[in-house]
Amino acid sequence: AIQLTQSPSSQSASVGDRVTITCRASQGISSALAWYQQKAGKAPKLLIYDASSLETGVPSRFSGSGSGTDFTLTISSLQPEDFATYYCQQFHNYPITFGQGTRLDVK
Amino acid sequence: QVQLVESGGGVVQPGRSLRLSCAASGFTFTGYSMHWVRQAPGKGLEWVAVISNDGTNDDYANSVKGRFTISRDNSKNTLLLQMNRLRSEDTALYYCARSRLNPDHFDIWGQGTMVTVSP
Repeated sequence: AIQLTQSPSSQSASVGDRVTITCRASQGISSALAWYQQKAGKAPKLLIYDASSLETGVPSRFSGSGSGTDFTLTISSLQPEDFATYYCQQFHNYPITFGQGTRLDVK
Repeated sequence: QVQLVESGGGVVQPGRSLRLSCAASGFTFTGYSMHWVRQAPGKGLEWVAVISNDGTNDDYANSVKGRFTISRDNSKNTLLLQMNRLRSEDTALYYCARSRLNPDHFDIWGQGTMVTVSP
């Protein structure tokens, strides 16, 4: 199975900060990567798919980049509603796998 | 609106069975592969199983293979997960989710149904 390693596992930040989360795959997955946001007690929400495509309705401060094994999720200017846990997911092949998550909290 | 609603969760003893359901509405159910994803309390996301749009193909995580069976009733827009020989490590919130392709990202998720395996 393809392993995804996110870093950092947790991060403290302030409103207005630029935040970057990375996801590294154990083997090449082309652009078959998605990013999700999960708030406490809620289902995950799709933010980015195909490594860099913004899901409809997601604010443009979210962006994704990368291909192969190294990927990045960037929030250009953190808003209060962005404090949450973020997961990457690979869908290059089965079994589909997720990163361990990055918890973003208030500094 | 596009919606997935899970049901069927509960408390069950180890070794027993449980069947989860996911009711789909607001979209053409037969146009999508469907998945189960679970999340143990305080833990990350774990993909469990997939079934193709027409129900002819499926796949499972190694952790549930041989114990869980995914199925769908396209006439009722319903996804099912039959869980047998349950273990304590199956305790989790179970989400259903859809994907356009197979495999693919999940654009819509349900709210989840909780399964607790405890003596």
